[in-house]
Amino acid sequence: AQKITQTQPGMFVQEKEAVTLDCTYDTSDPSYGLFWYKQPSSGEMIFLIYQGSYDQQNATEGRYSLNFQKARKSANLVISASQLGDSAMYFCAMREGMDSSYKLIFGSGTRLLVRP
Amino acid sequence: NAGVTQTPKFQVLKTGQSMTLQCAQDMNHNSMYWYRQDPGMGLRLIYYSASEGTTDKGEVPNGYNVSRLNKREFSLRLESAAPSQTSVYFCASTLSGSSTDTQYFGPGTRLTVL
Repeated sequence: AQKITQTQPGMFVQEKEAVTLDCTYDTSDPSYGLFWYKQPSSGEMIFLIYQGSYDQQNATEGRYSLNFQKARKSANLVISASQLGDSAMYFCAMREGMDSSYKLIFGSGTRLLVRP
Repeated sequence: NAGVTQTPKFQVLKTGQSMTLQCAQDMNHNSMYWYRQDPGMGLRLIYYSASEGTTDKGEVPNGYNVSRLNKREFSLRLESAAPSQTSVYFCASTLSGSSTDTQYFGPGTRLTVL
């Protein structure tokens, strides 16, 4: 079974508008972490935001926020005031447990295109 | 700080050839990882090293070997390359000291096997 599901292969958003990228996950471990990475066309993986399973509040980092709904097992990324430079692939990832391996499981990604 | 560096950036191999992808980090991180990214897919873990002196298989280890040379360096070897190994390879590292530790990625190696 897929551990991380990103159901939106591609999305468009108008510049300066907000956009939500969906991510659902599956785990039976009560302790886990959720990450979002951005991959621009240049190919590098850029860390955006982190949410821990025990965190009481939704994570925020500048224009990025994470809408964490634990009961629904969803961790959607919200980008406010989209910019042209936000056009990229976005990956949701999960780390299960808190052992020393810190392995990440990635979703298949969502390609976001910001229109001027 | 250079972060995570990878060499080479691009490589073309013929089926059956061997090569080693190099990765180094200067952040004093304990854990290092090798992923592959195929078109239209997310990253899949090949091998990882939780700490110096240890290595373990990830999701897709077949056809690869790794060496954690020291704390800084983690290499990935393809002994007999196959077209199915055409992919972009990413190395990553993390401090592994707290639950919020982030994995930092290198720029990737684009490998084509003919």
